[in-house]
Amino acid sequence: EIVLTQSPATLSLSPGERATLSCRASQSVSSYLAWYQQRPGQAPRLLIYDASNRATGVPARFSGSGSGTDFTLTISTLEPEDFAIYYCQQRSNWPLTFGPGTKVDIK
Amino acid sequence: EVQLLESGGGLVQPGGSLRLSCAASGFTFSNYGMNWVRQAPGKGPEWVSTITTTGGSTNFADSVKGRFTISRDNSNNTLYLQLNSLRAGDTAVYYCARSKGWPPHLDVWGKGTTVTVSS
Repeated sequence: EIVLTQSPATLSLSPGERATLSCRASQSVSSYLAWYQQRPGQAPRLLIYDASNRATGVPARFSGSGSGTDFTLTISTLEPEDFAIYYCQQRSNWPLTFGPGTKVDIK
Repeated sequence: EVQLLESGGGLVQPGGSLRLSCAASGFTFSNYGMNWVRQAPGKGPEWVSTITTTGGSTNFADSVKGRFTISRDNSNNTLYLQLNSLRAGDTAVYYCARSKGWPPHLDVWGKGTTVTVSS
């Protein structure tokens, strides 16, 4: 099973600042990594798939990069609605696995 | 509008059974693999199961293998998850989600249905 590790666990920032979230895989997942956003009381929402492709309707301030074992989600300028938990997920191997999440909260 | 709507959750005793349903609308259901993902209170998502477009192939997490069954009815645009031999550790919100790619990322999610296993 591929284990995904996310850092930091919590990121405290102010609206307008840049957020950089990390996801590391226990073995190479090539580019088969996605990022999801989950707001309180809601289902996860796909933001980025296959490392760097924005899902339909996702604002351009969200971008993804990386390959192999190290990946980054960047939110260029935080909007109030971006304060949420972010999860990474790999589809390289079964079982599909998710990271433990990074909570982006308001400083 | 693309939508997934889960139902069938509830309170069940350990060892009991439930069947969850997921009604799909706004897209051609038979063209997509489908998935179940669960999320225990205060935890991250956990993939449970995936089924191909025709139902001819399925995958399960080790934690549910042999206890849960996934199926689909393409004529009624509905996905199912049969949960048997339920344990306290199965308590979670259960989401259905549409596949993107194979193995999949998950590009459309329902709002979830809550399963509570308790005596």
